[in-house]
Amino acid sequence: DIQMTQSPSSLSASVGDRVTITCRASQSISSYLNWYQQKPGKAPKLLIYAASSLQSGVPSRFSGSGSGTDFTLTISSLQPEDFATYYCQQSYRFGQGTRLEIK
Amino acid sequence: EVQLVESGGGLVKPGGSLRLSCAASGFTFSSYSMNWVRQAPGKGLEWVSSISSSSSYIYYADSVKGRFTISRDNAKNSLYLQMNSLRAEDTAVYYCARDHSSSSEGLDYWGQGTLVTVSS
Repeated sequence: DIQMTQSPSSLSASVGDRVTITCRASQSISSYLNWYQQKPGKAPKLLIYAASSLQSGVPSRFSGSGSGTDFTLTISSLQPEDFATYYCQQSYRFGQGTRLEIK
Repeated sequence: EVQLVESGGGLVKPGGSLRLSCAASGFTFSSYSMNWVRQAPGKGLEWVSSISSSSSYIYYADSVKGRFTISRDNAKNSLYLQMNSLRAEDTAVYYCARDHSSSSEGLDYWGQGTLVTVSS
């Protein structure tokens, strides 16, 4: 069974910082990797699909890369509204989440 | 505008049953696979079940297999989750979510969620 492992589990950063979150699959998943943002009390929001495709309406400061087993979500310049929890997903499996907090 | 609105959550005793509904609008419901995803209080996301556009393909997480049943009514633009033999560990917010364009491209629209609490 494929396992998805995100790192770090939490991260403190400042507005304007460049931030990278990593997701690792226990075996190759090609480019079948999606990223979500979730704010407290809200439903998740799809940011990136197929590893690197930006979902419609998502700001271009979000980007995704990777293939095989190692993937990254990068936020090029953090904005106040980006402080949230981020999840990777492959098929029916979600990563455990990365909580991005204000430093 | 795509909208997904869940209903049917509430407090139920262990061993009890509950039926969740998700009303869809703003898109051709019959063309999309649909999903249920849950989130226990303070925890991460857990996929629960998926159903293809014509109900030909249905999948369940091991944690709910044999207890939960997903179904849909394309004429009513509605998705359902029948939950039986409920356990305390089923306590969660349940979201319905639409497949983006295929099951490998994520879930692009989500409802606001409905809370299910299993407690005596």
